[in-house]
Amino acid sequence: NAGVTQTPKFQVLKTGQSMTLQCAQDMNHEYMSWYRQDPGMGLRLIHYSVGAGITDQGEVPNGYNVSRSTTEDFPLRLLSAAPSQTSVYFCASSYGASTYNEQFFGPGTRLTVL
Amino acid sequence: DQQVKQNSPSLSVQEGRISILNCDYTNSMFDYFLWYKKYPAEGPTFLISISSIKDKNEDGRFTVFLNKSAKHLSLHIVPSQPGDSAVYFCAAYGTYKYIFGTGTRLKVLA
Repeated sequence: NAGVTQTPKFQVLKTGQSMTLQCAQDMNHEYMSWYRQDPGMGLRLIHYSVGAGITDQGEVPNGYNVSRSTTEDFPLRLLSAAPSQTSVYFCASSYGASTYNEQFFGPGTRLTVL
Repeated sequence: DQQVKQNSPSLSVQEGRISILNCDYTNSMFDYFLWYKKYPAEGPTFLISISSIKDKNEDGRFTVFLNKSAKHLSLHIVPSQPGDSAVYFCAAYGTYKYIFGTGTRLKVLA
């Protein structure tokens, strides 16, 4: 199993550009989520999904869109990038959605918005 | 409003001694509490968890203690090893959401 994969590893954008961060898992996990990590702020939940076709907002959803058309994929879209979105982004997945299960994290995408 | 707090940004401990990492939370509805370990340029990896109905959970050198009345949990690492040097995040789970603290950087000195 590849686990949780994220692409790209690094990305530089200009203010106003759009892009999609890709996340995929091959463990048939129901639950998937996106976090951003900023210095002194820890990991903050952006959006999460409890199954295909179901998504919801986390702590810091503004400026980000998600969709979950398949169990495997959970892309994160930035429609109009801003410097405040410079961060390291992590995708995670876990087996069940109805209760706690261990989350598996991807290696992260480092995004810089100029 | 930070629901999960780690008030110590860093901690240095001598190899072989005990490391104690602390975490406080504000929401009494959390069902589970977790600790993750993170090395630079990698994603966090799960370390240990505890249900809100328990007060202690052990896994090898790692023990997590939960004090519900104080809304406080701690991670004990005994004995500490240089490979334990990493950033440790505590997290809480409730109603489909995992809320993380800001992290504590542990340095174990050889």
